[in-house]
Amino acid sequence: GEDVEQSLFLSVREGDSSVINCTYTDSSSTYLYWYKQEPGAGLQLLTYIFSNMDMKQDQRLTVLLNKKDKHLSLRIADTQTGDSAIYFCAESINDYKLSFGAGTTVTVRA
Amino acid sequence: SAVISQKPSRDICQRGTSLTIQCQVDSQVTMMFWYRQQPGQSLTLIATANQGSEATYESGFVIDKFPISRPNLTFSTLTVSNMSPEDSSIYLCSVKGGNTEAFFGQGTRLTVV
Repeated sequence: GEDVEQSLFLSVREGDSSVINCTYTDSSSTYLYWYKQEPGAGLQLLTYIFSNMDMKQDQRLTVLLNKKDKHLSLRIADTQTGDSAIYFCAESINDYKLSFGAGTTVTVRA
Repeated sequence: SAVISQKPSRDICQRGTSLTIQCQVDSQVTMMFWYRQQPGQSLTLIATANQGSEATYESGFVIDKFPISRPNLTFSTLTVSNMSPEDSSIYLCSVKGGNTEAFFGQGTRLTVV
């Protein structure tokens, strides 16, 4: 089935690390994605990971994938005020369409 | 990466009317997708638009309500027909880059009054 779950809210202090968690159900997903949506804007692709990898790092972003537990996380190091946004986890279904989680609203406080 | 332009970026429409949303991509792509994001919700796929064939609609979405055109490999339109306030949403166009990245346009914010 297609069911992606995320926690809805995360509050983090500026300079700390943020960790956003996601679980998915389709074990055949080939790619998993993280998107960022700022207020009034579309979706910005942050990063993605292939299902045969367990980690991917890109500057301040680290993605961890536990395929056995179907758990995906996004860590943002040195969180800044510009990181305040909604973050969506998504899994690819049948290699073409995406199934999205409900989104995690990250609030960065000074 | 693909650059996707959507028009209009936002609109306020009267109930009972229709709105056509355009999506232009800066490169040729096989598959284009239309998603809906209702207020405070996540994204739901409406349909997949392939050039040269009819769009494939997801459960809960029908062609009469959301007709789609795909005249070439860089362009698609989505029409929201006979609108009601429940159609107020952000509508997003998306394309796949190769087998990996999935890119989105900025979205069209529709308010039906």
